[in-house]
Amino acid sequence: GQNIDQPTEMTATEGAIVQINCTYQTSGFNGLFWYQQHAGEAPTFLSYNVLDGLEEKGRFSSFLSRSKGYSYLLLKELQMKDSASYLCAVRSPTGTASKLTFGTGTRLQVTL
Amino acid sequence: GAVVSQHPSRVICKSGTSVKIECRSLDFQATTMFWYRQFPKQSLMLMATSNEGSKATYEQGVEKDKFLINHASLTLSTLTVTSAHPEDSSFYICSARTRQRDEQYFGPGTRLTVT
Repeated sequence: GQNIDQPTEMTATEGAIVQINCTYQTSGFNGLFWYQQHAGEAPTFLSYNVLDGLEEKGRFSSFLSRSKGYSYLLLKELQMKDSASYLCAVRSPTGTASKLTFGTGTRLQVTL
Repeated sequence: GAVVSQHPSRVICKSGTSVKIECRSLDFQATTMFWYRQFPKQSLMLMATSNEGSKATYEQGVEKDKFLINHASLTLSTLTVTSAHPEDSSFYICSARTRQRDEQYFGPGTRLTVT
């Protein structure tokens, strides 16, 4: 089965750094995605990791440890517009049968 | 590139009626489309996977006779919610995957309200 866990809610201050963790136990692994979702909108792609290590893209970075079944999304220089839900999703298995399983999502509130 | 549209964006229907939601890939051919459902303050739950020209594969617990999926072409998939009930009220999101890349592109979602 698939089990993907994230904290339900987090609060951080504008300008600060926040780390959103994601742990997973899945049968088969072919990459981990992070998406941002504002209320009432579809998810938008943020990052993708398939190998261990850190992927940096502007203010957003994502880390993966496959041996630990662990990933995090790091958001730097937080802005008010970063208030949203952040979804971790694991892709498995490989090939045409692959699909995404989403975590519970983390609602981030950025305050002044 | 890689734009996916959904129609309608919002729909209100009466209990017992059926409603159809369309998902289109506008600038690429989607060999596979996925349908998700999202209840308030919850994450996306995969309902079914549809491949062009073949029957959809439904996730456990999803009634295939209630949620009819048709993927008749490489750019269009439809989800029909039959005999809708208030508990079917939800945000329905589709995504499309190309033959070349194992990456999903999401549509903007459809808000269904059943009264």
